[in-house]
Order: sequence, then C-alpha cells, then structure tokens
Amino acid sequence: EVHLVDSGGGLLQPGGSLRLSCVASGFTFTNYAMNWVRQAPGKGLEWVSSISGSGGSVYYADSVKGRFTISRDNSKDTLYLQMNSLRAEDTAIYYCAKTNSVSYYAYFDYWGQGTLVTVSS
Amino acid sequence: EIVLTQSPGTLSLSPGERATLSCRASQSVSNNYLVWYQQKPGQAPRLLIYAASSRATGIPDRFSGSGSGTDFTLTISRPEPEDFAVYYCQQYGSSPYTFGQGTKLEIK
Repeated sequence: EVHLVDSGGGLLQPGGSLRLSCVASGFTFTNYAMNWVRQAPGKGLEWVSSISGSGGSVYYADSVKGRFTISRDNSKDTLYLQMNSLRAEDTAIYYCAKTNSVSYYAYFDYWGQGTLVTVSS
Repeated sequence: EIVLTQSPGTLSLSPGERATLSCRASQSVSNNYLVWYQQKPGQAPRLLIYAASSRATGIPDRFSGSGSGTDFTLTISRPEPEDFAVYYCQQYGSSPYTFGQGTKLEIK
C-alpha cells in the first residue's frame, strides 16, 4: 500500500527558512516523479514543484522560483522542499504527491496528509 | 498558463440527484490530460478520474468523466451522502500544472 508522510511544517516569521520532508513507502520510489502542492487556508490547490524520478529534472511554479528547492534522496525514499525567504502568502498546507510516471507530465495518484506552514510576524 | 474555470461554484443537490460539474480550459488541454480530485474537509485530495475519462482504482462507477479539448465534465450519477465534498479539476498536459478553483457539492 502506498503511503506518504509529510512533516516539517511550523510557524515562522517572514524571511525565515524551513525544510519539509515526505517519507514514501509501498512503491519503488526512484521510479516515480514527485511533487509538492499547497493549499492556502480555505482556498484551492496550487502546484508548487516537481522532480523527476532520478532527481535530474526539477520544475517550479513562478511564485516560488528562486526561493524554494525541491530534492529527493532515493536511498531514503524521501522527498524534500527547502523553503527560503518565506512570505505571508506562502502560508498553506503543503502536500507531497506521487505521480504515476517517472517523468513530469503525469497525474498525482497518491497524496500525503499535508503539513501546515504558517508565515506570520 | 492554462486557466481552468469550474462551474458552478456550489451545487446543492439531494442524495441520488444527478450531479454535473464543469471544467473549462482557456486553451486546449494536451492529450486530454485532465484529472478530477475529490477533497473532504481536513483531508488530502483523492484521485477520481484521469485522462479525462478513466476511473482511478477503487472509484465507484457512479463517477464518470467526459470531454475533450477545452470542455470537461464530471458526472456523479446518484450521489451518496459521502460524495458531498469539493471537487477540483487539474490539467497535466502543459507546464505549469494548473487547477480549477473547485466546485463544492453540498446537500440540499
């Protein structure tokens, strides 16, 4: 059974940094691209970033480009999101999501439970 | 960037009354790479439909997807009480991935 466990969220001030983690199980991690999707309180879903199965290709939404870095450790079946220069508008629940393919153009078939990031002074 | 517009924003129906949700794209969705998710309060989204019309594993056959190009529809033939939730469409054919703003299906 596929399982994704998100962690690392918290409360921090504008300009701060945070690293989110997502531990995967139940599938061969390196065979699938992974993603981060966020949802501001009471709002809709927004794609944040994607990474290919090997980690060699990464993609970002314009809203986070240059501030966030996605990475993965295939030896630990873990996905990361390093978030720097955080802003109030980054406040959201962050979900990791598995795609059904090793590459980018694929849908999200499983999601983590989410981790809440709150940016406030 | 492809903009997805969902309608209506809220749909009020009685259980068993057919639900039709619309998702319109600002330009053609490549390969009809469009999915539908269901989200209940406090939960992560759940995949219902991929490639516009294929049901995901374990999804009841009362859920069906249709459409192509720029116009897509999610139909719930006889909604059960557990189906009342928020539904999102998303395209994965073009970069960046984009989502619709959601349709809330509520009990009348």
